[in-house]
Amino acid sequence: DAKTTQPNSMESNEEEPVHLPCNHSTISGTDYIHWYRQLPSQGPEYVIHGLTSNVNNRMASLAIAEDRKSSTLILHRATLRDAAVYYCILRGSLSYNQGGKLIFGQGTELSVKP
Amino acid sequence: SQTIHQWPATLVQPVGSPLSLECTVEGTSNPNLYWYRQAAGRGLQLLFYSVGIGQISSEVPQNLSASRPQDRQFILSSKKLLLSDSSFYLCAWSPWVAVTSTDTQYFGPGTRLTVL
Repeated sequence: DAKTTQPNSMESNEEEPVHLPCNHSTISGTDYIHWYRQLPSQGPEYVIHGLTSNVNNRMASLAIAEDRKSSTLILHRATLRDAAVYYCILRGSLSYNQGGKLIFGQGTELSVKP
Repeated sequence: SQTIHQWPATLVQPVGSPLSLECTVEGTSNPNLYWYRQAAGRGLQLLFYSVGIGQISSEVPQNLSASRPQDRQFILSSKKLLLSDSSFYLCAWSPWVAVTSTDTQYFGPGTRLTVL
């Protein structure tokens, strides 16, 4: 799996948008970009994923650069409950015996100020 | 809906004692199953994954082992715990998927293990 680079930490104010960047310059054509987040003392939870086109769901939006070497997770209005570590992960397409394992980096710790 | 359970939630064990952590998934069949651990700070380390009963792949050689005796049961074990085994252990599952697809992993609440 290709490597991702994220800032160690970011700060945001409550109810403001947050843009969390991720660089993945060695991404291959079949790698999906996944985002997970981990709230304190909990297991990670899935946020969003995409391949080439921008994606939206109820939690966030994912903006993928045209050359796919970077992406940005967008939280449209940060709340205090969004304070977490956000992980950007690349996943190749699966075959039966690969198991779809995730390789976690250090992630970005997002703090949200009221 | 699918649910993943882990127990115990917390555990304090002496060095050299055995370990058994259990993970079960409800509401799905033939899931892929995973054990991760997370030391103090960030970054999860994949320990084992399984694509079926009795099929275990090890990612990191150490004094831990995993078994999958039933379709939706995944067990993490050790014969003799080390101080360095103190960590937050997480089980996860994902749907079994066909070739060339992608999926989401769903994590359990975790077990916080302290070895003294």
